[in-house]
Amino acid sequence: DTEVTQTPKHLVMGMTNKKSLKCEQHMGHRAMYWYKQKAKKPPELMFVYSYEKLSINESVPSRFSPECPNSSLLNLHLHALQPEDSALYLCASSQGRGGRGEQYFGPGTRLTVT
Amino acid sequence: AQSVTQLDSQVPVFEEAPVELRCNYSSSVSVYLFWYVQYPNQGLQLLLKYLSGSTLVKGINGFEAEFNKSQTSFHLRKPSVHISDTAEYFCAVSPIFGNEKLTFGTGTRLTIIP
Repeated sequence: DTEVTQTPKHLVMGMTNKKSLKCEQHMGHRAMYWYKQKAKKPPELMFVYSYEKLSINESVPSRFSPECPNSSLLNLHLHALQPEDSALYLCASSQGRGGRGEQYFGPGTRLTVT
Repeated sequence: AQSVTQLDSQVPVFEEAPVELRCNYSSSVSVYLFWYVQYPNQGLQLLLKYLSGSTLVKGINGFEAEFNKSQTSFHLRKPSVHISDTAEYFCAVSPIFGNEKLTFGTGTRLTIIP
């Protein structure tokens, strides 16, 4: 099973709202990622969790707050977003240290900030 | 650091014709190479990967790619395309040792003409 699931599929939120994106994998992977993808562009890395610890933060604004409750789950908490944050948010996972680098992606959450 | 170049942003091809999508990379360290496909309104799906060994790798949906170390290329090919191959294709690399960050190319939009 190479499935990564993400909920919700679509999300519309106002600039003052607080919402969360969720990601889950059951492949035993120990690294999980959040990406942001704008239309007609490649995914941009936001955060990497390795063995449930935040290992990379690509200078993402603090209105995005990641959380890794356990090795299978990854959340992205959203607060006070801006309209330019509207994008497809992708979660991915990989084996982690010693792995072969291949990442498996979820279907994404289409976020619209109004 | 790594970089990936996909010179063709759009490639139109007639149905049942062959296609080649070009990918060149630059890296000071050894890398794994990947092709991902993204269908409209979906996440990224791993098409194929080069880790080591035979330079010709076969992937899903009849695609194959050839790793050329001297030319630092990893071009994707399919002998006969179908309407269902219409999608965005991303070439990506990650270092064999070190972090597991994927570096993506800018993508190539493959459009199949009936």
